[in-house]
Amino acid sequence: GESVGLHLPTLSVQEGDNSIINCAYSNSASDYFIWYKQESGKGPQFIIDIRSNMDKRQGQRVTVLLNKTVKHLSLQIAATQPGDSAVYFCAENPPPGGSQGNLIFGKGTKLSVKP
Amino acid sequence: NAGVMQNPRHLVRRRGQEARLRCSPMKGHSHVYWYRQLPEEGLKFMVYLQKENIIDESGMPKERFSAEFPKEGPSILRIQQVVRGDSAAYFCASSPRLAGGFYSYNEQFFGPGTRLTVL
Repeated sequence: GESVGLHLPTLSVQEGDNSIINCAYSNSASDYFIWYKQESGKGPQFIIDIRSNMDKRQGQRVTVLLNKTVKHLSLQIAATQPGDSAVYFCAENPPPGGSQGNLIFGKGTKLSVKP
Repeated sequence: NAGVMQNPRHLVRRRGQEARLRCSPMKGHSHVYWYRQLPEEGLKFMVYLQKENIIDESGMPKERFSAEFPKEGPSILRIQQVVRGDSAAYFCASSPRLAGGFYSYNEQFFGPGTRLTVL
């Protein structure tokens, strides 16, 4: 199940099960969103992205859903494997006008896969 | 094609010393971004640079921190007179294009980070 720890929410799943990681983003005008995976001691690794004109995008074993009405993103991982254990961050790209470059990262969810 | 390179991977400094962090973007990328990450937190944007220009430094502390991306060579994040609160992981990312607009988007590729420890 999902629990909120001191800093990072943690999601524990059994190997082979599907995982759903949720994220609330902050800017209703953001037009591009990315999910990153970060393993311990490493930099964030791109998983999948979605633009604001879409509500669903599928990759290999991963699906991202975007609900602009409630400013919500989710990442679904099918048949979760031990190698999927990591911290997952959503990031949004706010519109130009202010900053054109920066990504705004969510707090992250730690996914723990039990063999 | 090598990914984003950062060095050193680990850096230890005493309070009051200077820290220099280097980032070489991916080949063909001319946009560089620096982020800071505290333990168990998300990445926080610091600065966005193109060659020889600072585009956005809204996330950079006003004092002691500076960044550059010269015409030749890596991007440098410099922290003067480090304090214990500067201890963090600093990540660099690069992208080939500008953010914003419907057809251009901010696809950033991250380096492995430099872990700065201030004693």
